[in-house]
Amino acid sequence: SAVISQKPSRDICQRGTSLTIQCQVDSQVTMMFWYRQQPGQSLTLIATANQGSEATYESGFVIDKFPISRPNLTFSTLTVSNMSPEDSSIYLCSVVRGKGEQFFGPGTRLTVL
Amino acid sequence: AQSVTQLDSQVPVFEEAPVELRCNYSSSVSVYLFWYVQYPNQGLQLLLKYLSGSTLVKGINGFEAEFNKSQTSFHLRKPSVHISDTAEYFCAVSEKGGSEKLVFGKGTKLTVNP
Repeated sequence: SAVISQKPSRDICQRGTSLTIQCQVDSQVTMMFWYRQQPGQSLTLIATANQGSEATYESGFVIDKFPISRPNLTFSTLTVSNMSPEDSSIYLCSVVRGKGEQFFGPGTRLTVL
Repeated sequence: AQSVTQLDSQVPVFEEAPVELRCNYSSSVSVYLFWYVQYPNQGLQLLLKYLSGSTLVKGINGFEAEFNKSQTSFHLRKPSVHISDTAEYFCAVSEKGGSEKLVFGKGTKLTVNP
């Protein structure tokens, strides 16, 4: 398994501002993922973050809106920029351990007013 | 690309009754299959996974699932549910030998009533 922590656990933000979410893993991993779970919805992959290279974004997500950093093998950040109420979601990071098995952080619950 | 269909958005059952949560997938390549559970206001927890081998896989909390390649299904079952099984259940796939990213179904809300 993997121990993953996220900060903050929740936040309430004003529209037009930005929030940076941190994800810390208890040991080194090659790949980290960022997902979004909108209210009452399933999870959608935002991007894949590999250390030493730029993040790979899924269709519908762009770097200007969701910049990601991956400075080392245990840490990543996701920034939600110029927020609007539509960005209100739970944001989760995950890592792969073993063959195809992903472990998820507890999530960051974001509310944009 | 892969897609996942969870046929039931909500499943209400009584305590100690059996339950089956249905999941069908579509993919042009071989996949790994997963079931995750999300308890209220908590993160995702892996229930079980199918990578290869026996098509019947057993997971935590008494759950099991059967991979059916011909029907592209991976239904989740439990013979007798408890109140504590009330949660959202997500079926997910990833491409075998691919990027490891998961594609999720829309989820099934299981409510166990006394």
